[in-house]
This record gives sequence, structure tokens and C-alpha cells, in this order.
Amino acid sequence: LAKTTQPISMDSYEGQEVNITCSHNNIATNDYITWYQQFPSQGPRFIIQGYKTKVTNEVASLFIPADRKSSTLSLPRVSLSDTAVYYCLVGDGTGRRALTFGSGTRLQVQP
Amino acid sequence: NAGVTQTPKFRVLKTGQSMTLLCAQDMNHEYMYWYRQDPGMGLRLIHYSVGEGTTAKGEVPDGYNVSRLKKQNFLLGLESAAPSQTSVYFCASSFGTGRYGATEAFFGQGTRLTVV
Repeated sequence: LAKTTQPISMDSYEGQEVNITCSHNNIATNDYITWYQQFPSQGPRFIIQGYKTKVTNEVASLFIPADRKSSTLSLPRVSLSDTAVYYCLVGDGTGRRALTFGSGTRLQVQP
Repeated sequence: NAGVTQTPKFRVLKTGQSMTLLCAQDMNHEYMYWYRQDPGMGLRLIHYSVGEGTTAKGEVPDGYNVSRLKKQNFLLGLESAAPSQTSVYFCASSFGTGRYGATEAFFGQGTRLTVV
């Protein structure tokens, strides 16, 4: 399975843009990249998914370079409510569809 | 629309006891997953299913069994509970395929299990 590497934690202040980078050097041709958000005592929630270039929705943007060996989740103008753990997932290129999570990045937003 | 519902929400077991956690989804999803999450850690995949009647092992399957007799239900069983199985258990479901492969997964609210 393709493995991902993310920073363990990040700190930011309200109103700032936050960029969380995920490394996935062994990503397979058919693999997609997905990000989830998890608040304490809740299950993860889907944020965004992409295959290449840039994807944007009402919550975040996802930047994927041409070699696809990394991706960056961008959260514009974060607020205190964005304090959460963010997980980067890479699709299972074997087709087994096992959805596996890494350790995630713990984002702390301060006033 | 209930989404993904887990039963029970809390449970305390004695070492050696058995129990079954139920996950039910009403979105007609093909894929279902069981995870455990220990304090301060990420989610670890226990077992998953890509369709009714099928199951597969995840990262940490030992000590657990699963069944998917009906498409909407995915059961997780602990045959002989151990303190090391104290954790929060999450169930998830997804359609499984889409433009980019696995589609968005929806998670239940979790089951907090304590084994004493």
C-alpha cells in the first residue's frame, strides 16, 4: 500500500491560510488522493479528493504537482473551528479498496 | 436520512467476554469498514467489506471477526475481549468506486469500548 507522510502537528492563528503537505512517493498510477478532517470524539469527515493539478471546493483546495509524489491541502483563512486532525489518504493501487489512515496532522488554531 | 449508525455507543466488558458491534448504513453503499482509534492515535483498519457476503482483513484483524450478511449491515465481533482492545471503534461506508476510485466515506459516531 502507498504510504503517506505528514507533519505531526501545526499551529496557526485565526484568519491565516494553512497549508498541510503530504508526501506519497510510492503513489501508483491509478491512485487518488483524499483528505479527511476529524474533530475530537467524532468520526472523520471527507474534505476533498483529487488525482492531479488543483481541486477546489467550498472548504479547501488541493494542490497536486505533476509527479504526484506529494499533495498540499490548503485551508483559507482558518478559524478556531478548524482545529482538528487532518488525514491524507492515498488510494490502494492494488484495487483492494482498503481505506487506510496514517497518523494525521494535528492543527491547532489560536485566536 | 440516518447515514451510518453504530450500536452501542458505549460499552464496558470484562476480560474474556464477547460482544458484537453493529454498523448499519442506509445509503446503499457497497463498501463498509471497521476501524479502531486509540487515544491520540490515527485510525487503524480492522476489517472491511467490498460487498454483501464478502470480508477482508485490514491492518489489525487479530482478535476480531466480521460478517456482512446483509448489504446494509456490517458486524464486528470480539470473541474474547482483552484490555488491549479498549478503544473507540468507528464504522464507515462508501460507494467504493467513482471517477477517482474510492469515493467519499461516511463515518458513524463511534463506539467507546472499555475492557476491564
